[in-house]
Amino acid sequence: EAGVAQSPRYKIIEKRQSVAFWCNPISGHATLYWYQQILGQGPKLLIQFQNNGVVDDSQLPKDRFSAERLKGVDSTLKIQPAKLEDSAVYLCASSPPGEKLFFGSGTQLSVL
Amino acid sequence: GDSVTQMEGPVTLSEEAFLTINCTYTATGYPSLFWYVQYPGEGLQLLLKATKADDKGSNKGFEATYRKETTSFHLEKGSVQVSDSAVYFCALSPNQAGTALIFGKGTTLSVSS
Repeated sequence: EAGVAQSPRYKIIEKRQSVAFWCNPISGHATLYWYQQILGQGPKLLIQFQNNGVVDDSQLPKDRFSAERLKGVDSTLKIQPAKLEDSAVYLCASSPPGEKLFFGSGTQLSVL
Repeated sequence: GDSVTQMEGPVTLSEEAFLTINCTYTATGYPSLFWYVQYPGEGLQLLLKATKADDKGSNKGFEATYRKETTSFHLEKGSVQVSDSAVYFCALSPNQAGTALIFGKGTTLSVSS
């Protein structure tokens, strides 16, 4: 089966610019997650969707980060404006209810 | 809050050596425990899991036992191969459904022939 698709694979921007990442989960997976993985650290949950509703966004910096899940399928994560400390790999994952997570390959963001 | 602590790497071993990567956790309730692996250039993959105390997860020669008394979930393999070189993440889910994972910082394993 097709895996979790993410794009772009790499992105380089200057601070204060905006950026958007896209994720297409595995077909039929109701739950979608965005994680942030800073170099040398483990992934940290940013937001969790169940279908097109938000389950947990307690660690999402809402002053600059936003996310939506279109019609309960694809999702977009946006950063506006970006800061240097946002440099990280942004991972998307999806799962059927109560099952293991399937991760995409991630988008590596460099903020200069 | 809930957290996971892993031994720091990198861990460097020769082929066929014995591997242990330590993982301890702090959690309220009864979490599920996981090991994920990230091979170079690839996404995170579930390696094994355990959902209750004394459960042993195993896959590809790797094993880990859920020890509630020591709040540990150490990863072991009897004989590592060069192809096992990767970053290993210990993780927990605060509920039994396996969602909302909390990860450790990861341990890099490098195996040489």
